[in-house]
Amino acid sequence: AQTVTQSQPEMSVQEAETVTLSCTYDTSESDYYLFWYKQPPSRQMILVIRQEAYKQQNATENRFSVNFQKAAKSFSLKISDSQLGDAAMYFCAYRSGLINNDMRFGAGTRLTVKP
Amino acid sequence: DAGITQSPRHKVTETGTPVTLRCHQTENHRYMYWYRQDPGHGLRLIHYSYGVKDTDKGEVSDGYSVSRSKTEDFLLTLESATSSQTSVYFCAISEQVNYGYTFGSGTRLTVV
Repeated sequence: AQTVTQSQPEMSVQEAETVTLSCTYDTSESDYYLFWYKQPPSRQMILVIRQEAYKQQNATENRFSVNFQKAAKSFSLKISDSQLGDAAMYFCAYRSGLINNDMRFGAGTRLTVKP
Repeated sequence: DAGITQSPRHKVTETGTPVTLRCHQTENHRYMYWYRQDPGHGLRLIHYSYGVKDTDKGEVSDGYSVSRSKTEDFLLTLESATSSQTSVYFCAISEQVNYGYTFGSGTRLTVV
């Protein structure tokens, strides 16, 4: 079964600085998708960024970018110019490309942004 | 319009009572999921559905059942609630397997 590991339970960053959240996963599949979700104190789960495994180019969404290392099965999230509103739990997730498959989540990283 | 709504948002119930959580979508998405969120575990899949009356178990399905009689509704039932089922429950929908999920706002369930 696929597993997702986030080895950093908590991280902190100074406002306007850059922070990288780590994620590794275990799979024997070649077709899959990776995601980062943000969960602010409101509890709402918000999709931050998505990466297709067949694409070598790293996904980018404004201040958020990923470093996707397929061979190493690593999928880290970089947040540039951190803002107070970035403070949240961040979850890394894996989804198989097979039909009828669900999404597997890591345990999460709590990010604190210091003013 | 949120596209996906969960009800109730909060619930306190007693051990041994049945509880049903509702997830309703207006997006006509094929896939629907129930997860529970607990500290240190992230989100774990309880059950999911890939069509009307088509459901399957997830990794933490013991003590839970689901039903999907219409595309838009996916019900999660705790037949006899236990304290270990105190958690935050999320419903999610997805149009295709290569898409991300859209989540509901969650239900905080406390079993006393």
